[in-house]
Order: sequence, then structure tokens, then C-alpha cells
Amino acid sequence: EVVMTQSPATLSVSPGERATLSCGASQYVSSNLAWYQQKPGQAPRLLIYGASTRATGIPARFTGSGSGTDFTLTISSLQSEDFAVYYCQQYNNWPQLTFGGGTKVEIK
Amino acid sequence: QVQLVESGGGLVKPGGSLRLSCAASGFTFSDYYMSWIRQAPGKGLEWVSYISSSGTNIYYADSVKGRFSISRDIAKNSLYLQMNSLTADDTAVYFCAREAITAAGLLDSWGQGTLVTVSS
Repeated sequence: EVVMTQSPATLSVSPGERATLSCGASQYVSSNLAWYQQKPGQAPRLLIYGASTRATGIPARFTGSGSGTDFTLTISSLQSEDFAVYYCQQYNNWPQLTFGGGTKVEIK
Repeated sequence: QVQLVESGGGLVKPGGSLRLSCAASGFTFSDYYMSWIRQAPGKGLEWVSYISSSGTNIYYADSVKGRFSISRDIAKNSLYLQMNSLTADDTAVYFCAREAITAAGLLDSWGQGTLVTVSS
């Protein structure tokens, strides 16, 4: 099983500031890495796939980077609607999909 | 637009069974792989099971293998998860999700989820 590790668990950021979230894989996953955003009581929403491609309708302030085992999601200027939990997920080892534990981005 | 609507969740006693359904609309259901993902209260996401577009290929997470059974009915545009021998560890919101046609394992659409609570 590919273990995905996210850090930090919680990130306190002021609106308008930059947020940087990290995700590591226990083994090589190429660029088969996705990021999802989940708000309370809602389903996850796909943000980024292929490590760096924004999904349809996702604002340009969301940027994904990395390949292999180390990945980053950057939110350039946090808006009020961006405060949520973010999960990374590898699909290189399909169909055994695995997710990171999540990073909660909260208002500072 | 793509819509996935889960149903069938509820309260069940340990050792009991439950069958979840996921009604799909807004896309050609028979073209897509589908998965079930679950989320225990206050916890992260866990992949549970996958089924190919035709239903021929099926996989399960080790945590549910031998107890859960995934299936689909193309004529009804529906996905199912039969859950047997339930334990407290199975308590979670269960989401059905569509896998992107261009990238197996990429979950591009999700339902709102249905809550399964296993308790005596």
C-alpha cells in the first residue's frame, strides 16, 4: 500500500495570505496525484489532478506542483471560501487508491 | 450535469447488513469505472471498493474484503454496496464516486454521501 502523509495537520492563515500544503508518498507515484477540497458536511471536490492540472472551474490561485514522492498545493491568496480540509490522493497504484490524512486550513 | 445520489444508510446493529445505492445521472453510466469511498466521523478518506464499467473487474480494500460486495445495474444507472457482518469500525459516511474516463482512479465527481452507523 502506498502511504500518503500530509503536513501540517492544521494551518492557520489570514485571509489574503499564501498557504502551502505538503503531501508525501511512501513510494514513487509519478504525477498520478490529486488534491481535493472538503468543506463541513460536503463531499470532497476535485481541485488538482496530474499533480499540477487544475480541474474545471478551479481558480488560478490554486497551484499544484511536484512529482515522484513529494507534492505541494499552494493557495496564493486565501479567500474566505478556501477555508476547508484538503486531501491528497495517489492513483498511481490503482485500483488501490490511498489518501493523505488531510490538512485543515483555518482562519488565523 | 453529473449527479450521484446515495441512499440506504442508517443505524444497524453489529453483525448486521445494509445495502447502499447510488443513483447516477447526467452522464453515460456504462462508460465509467465507479468507486465507493468512506469517511469515519472526524476522520480522513478511505477507498473501499472499485468496479469496472462492465462490472467484470472488482477490487476491495483489505478492511472490507469478504464482507462487502459491489455491483452495478447499467439499466438502472445504479451502483450498489452490499455490506455484511458490520462492525463499529464500519461506521462512516459512504460516498460513491466516478472515476475519470481519462485517468483510472481519479475521482472527478462525488455524491453527497450516506451515513452508516453500526451500534447496538
